[in-house]
Amino acid sequence: DAGVTQSPTHLIKTRGQQVTLRCSPKSGHDTVSWYQQALGQGPQFIFQYYEEEERQRGNFPDRFSGHQFPNYSSELNVNALLLGDSALYLCASSLVARGGYTFGSGTRLTVV
Amino acid sequence: DAKTTQPPSMDCAEGRAANLPCNHSTISGNEYVYWYRQIHSQGPQYIIHGLKNNETNEMASLIITEDRKSSTLILPHATLRDTAVYYCIGTNSGGSNYKLTFGKGTLLTVNP
Repeated sequence: DAGVTQSPTHLIKTRGQQVTLRCSPKSGHDTVSWYQQALGQGPQFIFQYYEEEERQRGNFPDRFSGHQFPNYSSELNVNALLLGDSALYLCASSLVARGGYTFGSGTRLTVV
Repeated sequence: DAKTTQPPSMDCAEGRAANLPCNHSTISGNEYVYWYRQIHSQGPQYIIHGLKNNETNEMASLIITEDRKSSTLILPHATLRDTAVYYCIGTNSGGSNYKLTFGKGTLLTVNP
């Protein structure tokens, strides 16, 4: 049983560009959350999607947006990239009303 | 979410029990204690969670004090593969529709 799959694994972008990261949740999971992890820090919550709607959002600017598709997969979009957006972006999936998220291995984004 | 305090680092000998403490003195009555760990360059891995009672699963045991102001994660027979950053998180739902607020965690190093 595949866990959470994220693509791409690594990405290099230039300041001002836009990026799209993708996540396929674990089979049977219906909720997807995104986290940003800067070097040496714990992951920071960006937002959570359930039934194709954003249900919670962390303290991130509107440059960060997302989408969930009918098959529960999700995308994270970041516009107007800044150097400070360089981080590991983690996707986590879960089944509503069950404890414990399953995390993917993340996408390492480097903004130059 | 409750603020949690963990020691920045701990050492443990291989084969011995690893006891990781966490203080969460501001935790409210409906907040669960979750433990995750993150092995270098991987996404966080769910370990265990609890509300009031002690919990045990195939990975670890969670001991919560009666006043719920602190807890201890116990890895009964630590192996080298248990070397990771361990996060203690207090959050307000036992289900999956919650966000995780990660701190800096405890770096557990298991030595041969």
